[in-house]
Amino acid sequence: IAGITQAPTSQILAAGRRMTLRCTQDMRHNAMYWYRQDLGLGLRLIHYSNTAGTTGKGEVPDGYSVSRANTDDFPLTLASAVPSQTSVYFCASSATQNTGELFFGEGSRLTVL
Amino acid sequence: AQTVTQSQPEMSVQEAETVTLSCTYDTSESDYYLFWYKQPPSRQMILVIRQEAYKQQNATENRFSVNFQKAAKSFSLKISDSQLGDAAMYFCAYRTPYLYNQGGKLIFGQGTELSVKP
Repeated sequence: IAGITQAPTSQILAAGRRMTLRCTQDMRHNAMYWYRQDLGLGLRLIHYSNTAGTTGKGEVPDGYSVSRANTDDFPLTLASAVPSQTSVYFCASSATQNTGELFFGEGSRLTVL
Repeated sequence: AQTVTQSQPEMSVQEAETVTLSCTYDTSESDYYLFWYKQPPSRQMILVIRQEAYKQQNATENRFSVNFQKAAKSFSLKISDSQLGDAAMYFCAYRTPYLYNQGGKLIFGQGTELSVKP
């Protein structure tokens, strides 16, 4: 039982480089989300997708982009990484758009130098 | 905009005793969901308990229970008979109701780090 798989688990990246964090789920959930976790701030929503083919902006979308070409995959791209994007990134999914809990991946720790 | 506040950055409890973690939220909606998630050092986010706002009865899951005060917009988590394995970061979260073309997003509090003393 995989659930949500994120890759890479950890990455060190030079500022200015492009980076894509991968997220795949095998639960056929419609809704998917990307959060970043920073100490003292909790988890903040970056982007979300209600269903394949649609995406929306969350609380902190600047510097990030997403796509949802199919139900299972929801990659997060940093076009030109900056040190303030150093964080732990969580991908999550939910069976419905407004009820029930979110299921989370194990997170990707990204360090931008 | 909806907000979730956890005013206790850190809490400590003696093993086998009871501890309560506080959470308040702000919303103008009447129908929504509230959650407590646990994040141990492994970083995995684990659902502890869920509460539907339209239900007056407080949710309970074994040693975990909530005190849901809708009018006061308060949602505290009580852990009874605390165990060493309960040591973790705990997040309170509010799920927005679905609106057309918007997702039912989960809004998190800042987290409370719980330590359990043997």
